[in-house]
Amino acid sequence: DAEITQSPRHKITETGRQVTLACHQTWNHNNMFWYRQDLGHGLRLIHYSYGVQDTNKGEVSDGYSVSRSNTEDLPLTLESAASSQTSVYFCASSEGPGQLKQYFGPGTRLTVT
Amino acid sequence: AQKVTQAQTEISVVEKEDVTLDCVYETRDTTYYLFWYKQPPSGELVFLIRRNSFDEQNEISGRYSWNFQKSTSSFNFTITASQVVDSAVYFCALYQLRRHIQGAQKLVFGQGTRLTINP
Repeated sequence: DAEITQSPRHKITETGRQVTLACHQTWNHNNMFWYRQDLGHGLRLIHYSYGVQDTNKGEVSDGYSVSRSNTEDLPLTLESAASSQTSVYFCASSEGPGQLKQYFGPGTRLTVT
Repeated sequence: AQKVTQAQTEISVVEKEDVTLDCVYETRDTTYYLFWYKQPPSGELVFLIRRNSFDEQNEISGRYSWNFQKSTSSFNFTITASQVVDSAVYFCALYQLRRHIQGAQKLVFGQGTRLTINP
């Protein structure tokens, strides 16, 4: 069955380290998204991509970067992890503009100490 | 800019009671979609419903029903005869379809409402 996976599911890292969170989907969806979930804020969009080589900033993109070299993967990189980036991160994908249902991954809980 | 407000941070009811979760949205566009997602304690996000801006018909799915009112920019969610398994965080979200509109083609989420159903 097609799915969307995230790895690792849990990560503890130190301030200042570079961290990459992986997202992989097997639906061949064009659109992929990264969100972070924090208490009192719901889910906020970090970065998104509408296809290979396309990336766009969301509302909370500072300190994060993404790259889209193929359809299946959109890794999220924290260049220099900060304690404010402790959060749960969700990846999502959707087929295209006419297909509005986003499929979410299981989430990655990141703790920056 | 688009915005979704879920004013109820937490709701707690006793099993079998009916409960309504409020959602109010803001958008300048006339073409948009509204969603509800459920996040149970296990953490995953579960899609519940999608409604487009041109369809104001209320929808019922089992114990769940949704009331969409464009006049008040609201998309409220009611659970009838609540059960303990309904305990979760529920998110309302807005999606603008038109690419040329700033912020379009992205889901904007409300802050979520934590619903607790007590036995």
